[in-house]
Amino acid sequence: AQSVTQLGSHVSVSEGALVLLRCNYSSSVPPYLFWYVQYPNQGLQLLLKYTSAATLVKGINGFEAEFKKSETSFHLTKPSAHMSDAAEYFCAVKYPGGGNKLTFGTGTQLKVEL
Amino acid sequence: DGGITQSPKYLFRKEGQNVTLSCEQNLNHDAMYWYRQDPGQGLRLIYYSQIVNDFQKGDIAEGYSVSREKKESFPLTVTSAQKNPTAFYLCASSGQGTMNTEAFFGQGTRLTVV
Repeated sequence: AQSVTQLGSHVSVSEGALVLLRCNYSSSVPPYLFWYVQYPNQGLQLLLKYTSAATLVKGINGFEAEFKKSETSFHLTKPSAHMSDAAEYFCAVKYPGGGNKLTFGTGTQLKVEL
Repeated sequence: DGGITQSPKYLFRKEGQNVTLSCEQNLNHDAMYWYRQDPGQGLRLIYYSQIVNDFQKGDIAEGYSVSREKKESFPLTVTSAQKNPTAFYLCASSGQGTMNTEAFFGQGTRLTVV
């Protein structure tokens, strides 16, 4: 079964520090991978996606992620955290030819401190 | 504006009653999804539909039912068989192909059983 694992349900960083949110997928077949952000009581907004093109993907709000097949990872990074980045972040996976099933990780709550 | 509309935003239900959550999209997407969100559990897939008049069970379909009579609409019914229905429900849709594979989300419906 397709799945993604997000290590760390809560991550805290200082404003201006590097943000690193981890995501690993379980499959021998390269999937499509996504990162979403959710603010309280709202829907999810797409940050970026990997669909088998460039392995380093740049998204909105200064975020980027690198697809590493050897590590089955798709970690999300941002060089310098801003207070407005505080939110919950979700990694998601979909398999080409897998019938459009989209599976999410359990999420990582990012806290940004002054 | 194109997007996904979920209604109502807040819904209260008495135990033993069925309730239907609305989801409409004008993005011309073929695939639509329903997720349930509980604190610390991420988004869990209830049902998804790849095309009109077809849908598949997700990971937690018990106690829920859906229909897909029109491309634009994918209503979710929470039945009295659902033991713990209080949650935040999110609807999403996605297109076909690599370029349109990401999901777009509605703003969610918060269901509370009283």
